Amino acid sequence: GESVGLHLPTLSVQEGDNSIINCAYSNSASDYFIWYKQESGKGPQFIIDIRSNMDKRQGQRVTVLLNKTVKHLSLQIAATQPGDSAVYFCAENYGAGGTSYGKLTFGQGTILTVHP
Amino acid sequence: KAGVTQTPRYLIKTRGQQVTLSCSPISGHRSVSWYQQTPGQGLQFLFEYFSETQRNKGNFPGRFSGRQFSNSRSEMNVSTLELGDSALYLCASSLEWQNYGYTFGSGTRLTVV
Repeated sequence: GESVGLHLPTLSVQEGDNSIINCAYSNSASDYFIWYKQESGKGPQFIIDIRSNMDKRQGQRVTVLLNKTVKHLSLQIAATQPGDSAVYFCAENYGAGGTSYGKLTFGQGTILTVHP
Repeated sequence: KAGVTQTPRYLIKTRGQQVTLSCSPISGHRSVSWYQQTPGQGLQFLFEYFSETQRNKGNFPGRFSGRQFSNSRSEMNVSTLELGDSALYLCASSLEWQNYGYTFGSGTRLTVV
């Protein structure tokens, strides 16, 4: 069925380290993936997205990698800062319309803690 | 520009009551989606509206309903509240369904007692 799962529920790193958050998805028809950051008391904040015709996309300090062969998604955060501490969610969608309209399937989330 | 605005931020209701939550999307955004977030189930899709029409619906009972107005503002309603409906309700907006960069609001925290 549709599910997006995370391998690790928590990740603890030191300030300045690089962080890698992983996500496995099960729907091979998914063609759009997003990473969100959610801080306490706030809604999910868009970080970066990638379409299935790409395998890598870079933003400011963040990189998303997509491996369709093994249905794996990862978020890399360079030079992690205390302000990066939050819960990170991956989400997927298949953009064929119909039952995909507006429907993001979210992973369970990974708690990232950055120690100064 | 203003982000997605959800009101109220917090709400306490009694079992059996009904509740209406409001979402104002980013100006120009016509698609509004609603999600329920709980510690046990995570983020789950409720429904999506575009141009006042519900185009998609998640696996929630009929007690959960919504609507969208001509200015794209949306409301969701939960009738006959149950304790398990306690959650953070989030809405997200995007320009059109092709634009998947959904922007979320801060949510409405609903507590049912």
